Amino acid sequence: DARVTQTPRDKVTEMGQEVTMRCQPILGHNTVFWYRQTMMQGLELLAYFRNRAPLDDSGMPKDRFSAEMPDATLATLKIQPSEPRDSAVYFCASGFFSGSVITGELFFGEGSRLTVL
Amino acid sequence: AQSVTQPDIHITVSEGASLELRCNYSYGATPYLFWYVQSPGQGLQLLLKYFSGDTLVQGIKGFEAEFKRSQSSFNLRKPSVHWSDAAEYFCAVVGNTGTASKLTFGTGTRLQVTL
Repeated sequence: DARVTQTPRDKVTEMGQEVTMRCQPILGHNTVFWYRQTMMQGLELLAYFRNRAPLDDSGMPKDRFSAEMPDATLATLKIQPSEPRDSAVYFCASGFFSGSVITGELFFGEGSRLTVL
Repeated sequence: AQSVTQPDIHITVSEGASLELRCNYSYGATPYLFWYVQSPGQGLQLLLKYFSGDTLVQGIKGFEAEFKRSQSSFNLRKPSVHWSDAAEYFCAVVGNTGTASKLTFGTGTRLQVTL
């Protein structure tokens, strides 16, 4: 049963520490999204990749967040340094797009819950 | 840019009652529309999607949604709600922004089911 895998599921860290979240998209999917979910803002799109190339990271605070896809099986979201306001659940999702058109659904991972003290 | 509005933050229905969750979208062209459900502590699961064709789409778990272009709406319905349907429901639209398209979500509607 194909699924998007995210690690860690839960992370508690102290302000100023570096946090790295990882995502393994479904094999064959060419598009990967990173979303952040908070009670106040709901689901916010942070960044997304097509065929490993970043297409849009305008939703991401550039000074502390970075997103990469070192290969087709791994996407990473890094926060350095972390701040309490970064506390949220971070979701990765993958799907297949033909050109600019989605051809199916986005599959979501179970999320990484980050708490920054 | 595309946007989605879910006007109801929280809805409570009795088990066995019918359900309608509202979704309005803003997009200049024909949208691709989705409904996702999120149970506590879980990721989002697709209920149904509309790309084209029949405006009444059937999804999993007995849900359906109707696309109404004139009203810019894509409301989710279920004739008889089960206690296990209690969750948060998100409407989403895919829009094309130049060379790429992305999924934009509404703020969600939390469904509570009373026995």
